[in-house]
Amino acid sequence: KAGVTQTPRYLIKTRGQQVTLSCSPISGHRSVSWYQQTPGQGLQFLFEYFSETQRNKGNFPGRFSGRQFSNSRSEMNVSTLELGDSALYLCASSLDLREQYFGPGTRLTVT
Amino acid sequence: AQTVTQSQPEMSVQEAETVTLSCTYDTSESDYYLFWYKQPPSRQMILVIRQEAYKQQNATENRFSVNFQKAAKSFSLKISDSQLGDAAMYFCAYRGTGANNLFFGTGTRLTVIP
Repeated sequence: KAGVTQTPRYLIKTRGQQVTLSCSPISGHRSVSWYQQTPGQGLQFLFEYFSETQRNKGNFPGRFSGRQFSNSRSEMNVSTLELGDSALYLCASSLDLREQYFGPGTRLTVT
Repeated sequence: AQTVTQSQPEMSVQEAETVTLSCTYDTSESDYYLFWYKQPPSRQMILVIRQEAYKQQNATENRFSVNFQKAAKSFSLKISDSQLGDAAMYFCAYRGTGANNLFFGTGTRLTVIP
């Protein structure tokens, strides 16, 4: 079974721009969670989608948003990028409330 | 809020030896799940082992085992017969039963010395 895939793997954006990251979960997994990893703040939960509905949300500003499609693929969007948004963004999929399996991440650099 | 603490930023172990990574957590919930994830230089997070809080028996996966002390809120990872491929960042994580979000510790960087 194919693992979690994330695209793109690397991204460089300029302050003020917006960005969309994509995540395809393991086949059959309906839950997709997003995490931000930075050297200063560590790993922080952004939000979780299940069956196209946001089920849980971390403590991030409204510039961070996401959605999930009927095939369980998920996207997250960050608008009005700031330098502090530079991070590794990890996506994880799971069967409902089971172990989470992570993708390789998207490394976002904001200049 | 749940917090997870890993007090060892770095650890090292000789190849073939045993090492224990520490993790403590704080929660008011009685039922929850605990995990150890490994993040090698490739940055891909890999699930190493999980423990359900309602199970008294410590989880084991091949060379990896945990020492779960619920009353002490302690969850350590023991790696036996360490291999060069075990070198990575190790994260301890907590999840409650009602939600799917993980709370992570700050990680322990493990170096394996040949």
